[in-house]
Amino acid sequence: EDQVTQSPEALRLQEGESSSLNCSYTVSGLRGLFWYRQDPGKGPEFLFTLYSAGEEKEKERLKATLTKKESFLHITAPKPEDSATYLCAVQAVTSGTYKYIFGTGTRLKVLA
Amino acid sequence: DTEVTQTPKHLVMGMTNKKSLKCEQHMGHRAMYWYKQKAKKPPELMFVYSYEKLSINESVPSRFSPECPNSSLLNLHLHALQPEDSALYLCASSLNTGGGFGYTFGSGTRLTVV
Repeated sequence: EDQVTQSPEALRLQEGESSSLNCSYTVSGLRGLFWYRQDPGKGPEFLFTLYSAGEEKEKERLKATLTKKESFLHITAPKPEDSATYLCAVQAVTSGTYKYIFGTGTRLKVLA
Repeated sequence: DTEVTQTPKHLVMGMTNKKSLKCEQHMGHRAMYWYKQKAKKPPELMFVYSYEKLSINESVPSRFSPECPNSSLLNLHLHALQPEDSALYLCASSLNTGGGFGYTFGSGTRLTVV
């Protein structure tokens, strides 16, 4: 069964304390892995798309990487404004049907 | 224009009311989606429209009725809802349903059923 799992469920960091969020997936026919940021009461905001193992994408303090089984979102020297829920999603195709599967998210809190 | 606009932002409705949620995008995206999100949970897919045709209905109760009047607009008609339907309703769009494209989400409608 296609599955996307994120860990940890919640993470508290001090400002400047770098860390990584994990997104593990078991799907067939991966078409892309996506990272989103979601602030409370708002819709998810698209961050990155990764298509193949070994690919990396960067944006400000965020860097996303992809292997054949998981993706990491590295946060370097985070600031309080980085506090949000980070969602990953996987698009897979099975028998010609596309599926878009969200993970359960990591709630990040960065303390000043 | 790189936005998905949802109205209203907040909605309180009684269980006997009929209301509609609206979603609009002008990015030329041909796939549009309705998601439901409960607190501390990921978005849950409800409906997918591809080229203005309903392509996926994730076994959603008939008290939710989607409509796609044209390629830029998506509505969700609500009737006889239950309190457990209270949630954040998100509209999203993408270039199409395949091909590994990210979604652009609206800010959502916070729905409370009383």
